[in-house]
Amino acid sequence: EVQLLESGGGLVQPGGSLRLSCAASGFTFSNYAMSWVRQAPGKGLEWVSTISGSGSSTSYADSVKGRFTTSRDNSKKTLYLRMNSLSADDTAVYYCAKQTLLDSWGQGTLVTVSS
Amino acid sequence: DIQMTQSPSSLSASVGDRVTITCRASQDISIYLAWFQQKPGKAPKSLIYAASNLQSGVPSKFSGSGSGTDFTLTISSLQPEDFATYYCQQYKSYPLTFGGGTKVEIE
Repeated sequence: EVQLLESGGGLVQPGGSLRLSCAASGFTFSNYAMSWVRQAPGKGLEWVSTISGSGSSTSYADSVKGRFTTSRDNSKKTLYLRMNSLSADDTAVYYCAKQTLLDSWGQGTLVTVSS
Repeated sequence: DIQMTQSPSSLSASVGDRVTITCRASQDISIYLAWFQQKPGKAPKSLIYAASNLQSGVPSKFSGSGSGTDFTLTISSLQPEDFATYYCQQYKSYPLTFGGGTKVEIE
């Protein structure tokens, strides 16, 4: 059974940084691209980033490009999202999901950007 | 960017009703279309990929169709556990984009 478990969310001040993690199990992690998707309170789903299985290729939404960095450690079966220069607009539940067709999702971790 | 437009944005229906949700892409996405169900406070759940393929474990009352720019999700007989918000998503090209969602409520 595929399991994805996010962690690292919390309250951060505007301009601050945070690193999210997503621990994967139940599938051959290195064989699959992984994505981050976020959902602001009461809003719809917004794709954030995708990284290839090897980690050699990444794509980002314009809204986070230059501020967020997605990486992965295949030996640890873990996906990361480094978020810098955070603003209130980044307040959301952040989900990791498998592949670009997002066939499995974690439970999400809440990031709140507020002073 | 490919824009995904869902309609309606909300609907009221009764248990046993047949419900259809539509999703339109701003350009041809072939069959690179997925559907998700989300209940309040929960993560989205994948229902359908490649426009019409049911994910493992998803009941057959859900079905998807379409290709190119026009797609539909149909729930053949609505049950209490189906009241949720449904999203379409294209994965033909980056940025991946979602429809605005359709909230299915009890009539």
